[in-house]
Amino acid sequence: EADIYQTPRYLVIGTGKKITLECSQTMGHDKMYWYQQDPGMELHLIHYSYGVNSTEKGDLSSESTVSRIRTEHFPLTLESARPSHTSQYLCASSVRDRQNSPLHFGNGTRLTVT
Amino acid sequence: GENVEQHPSTLSVQEGDSAVIKCTYSDSASNYFPWYKQELGKGPQLIIDIRSNVGEKKDQRIAVTLNKTAKHFSLHITETQPEDSAVYFCAATATNFGNEKLTFGTGTRLTIIP
Repeated sequence: EADIYQTPRYLVIGTGKKITLECSQTMGHDKMYWYQQDPGMELHLIHYSYGVNSTEKGDLSSESTVSRIRTEHFPLTLESARPSHTSQYLCASSVRDRQNSPLHFGNGTRLTVT
Repeated sequence: GENVEQHPSTLSVQEGDSAVIKCTYSDSASNYFPWYKQELGKGPQLIIDIRSNVGEKKDQRIAVTLNKTAKHFSLHITETQPEDSAVYFCAATATNFGNEKLTFGTGTRLTIIP
């Protein structure tokens, strides 16, 4: 069982609202990631972090922001949600020092913006 | 950058038969190829990986083969069971890069017909 938790599992929200998707892991992993998974199943990296106070943008441009104040916590925030943000968001973590260490994924948050 | 193509996008197999999913990659520097399985309502989970110094790797009913010359690798599942129904992703990267450089394929939805 993966020790990485995402809340909420489902979120339906109106356009213009500010939202924060929560992600926490109890494995002590330094590296954390946010992926966006579109209905066609493709996984796109939108943010990642090497550790506390480190945040980087991924390959897919995103209007979301992230923060990493604690090792175990990597929340993603949308300041003003739009229908184009409707998607599944997956959080993941991995060990930093091991080459090609596996990604441990959470079960995702499915966001719908109406 | 790396480009990973995955085929087929959907695959239906009779229970007990074998399933094969194929991927091609573009960057000759890639030398690490993991496979992830995503069950319904869950995040992807690593099921097997292969490095370019070997041509084949097996783990019980699953195996992965790699052809470096042709730049393609495949996942083979034998004696399929209902619990094999899921979405499978291949991926590629170079071992000196972190997971932030991992390029995923577009996914294969495998359905096992009882």
